[in-house]
Amino acid sequence: DAGITQSPRHKVTETGTPVTLRCHQTENHRYMYWYRQDPGHGLRLIHYSYGVKDTDKGEVSDGYSVSRSKTEDFLLTLESATSSQTSVYFCAIRPDRVGGELFFGEGSRLTVL
Amino acid sequence: QKEVEQDPGPLSVPEGAIVSLNCTYSNSAFQYFMWYRQYSRKGPELLMYTYSSGNKEDGRFTAQVDKSSKYISLFIRDSQPSDSATYLCAMSAPTGFQKLVFGTGTRLLVSP
Repeated sequence: DAGITQSPRHKVTETGTPVTLRCHQTENHRYMYWYRQDPGHGLRLIHYSYGVKDTDKGEVSDGYSVSRSKTEDFLLTLESATSSQTSVYFCAIRPDRVGGELFFGEGSRLTVL
Repeated sequence: QKEVEQDPGPLSVPEGAIVSLNCTYSNSAFQYFMWYRQYSRKGPELLMYTYSSGNKEDGRFTAQVDKSSKYISLFIRDSQPSDSATYLCAMSAPTGFQKLVFGTGTRLLVSP
């Protein structure tokens, strides 16, 4: 196992409520990522982090924010959830070397009603 | 046009068949190529990793990269029902952020 834990694994919420997903790693890797996976779109990068307090946007970042105050934790926040954010969210980590591969968590399934 | 194209399938084969899964790409800067396997309701798991061109074999799995054609393949020999999953190709270039670009995945069904 890659040493990645996502929580919660399942969540149902209502439109307009804030939601925070947590990713915790035990590998001490610098790079951490949040993806969403939807039918027909595959995996799309939301945000990524290259160190504590160092984050940047991915291709589908609108409506999402992230924070990384410790190496091991990367939080994804939906400030005001919408139905279009119903998805499966995956956290991933990457070793700090050129061409390093990603290792994924088990996913967090979010339903926004 | 997407940077990485992958047939979504599903691809249905009988147990014991040889399976060929493929991706094409447009960015000639890609140097690192990966195949991930994803079971239903699970996270993607790394199956094969290849640098630049050539073949790599691991048990029943062979990954092949043809950079001149911008084409990568994953072959599964003696396919088993436990191989039923979605297979994602992914690739990256050794520059800048080294963003990993994914195909949308091919669903494989191996029937007993």
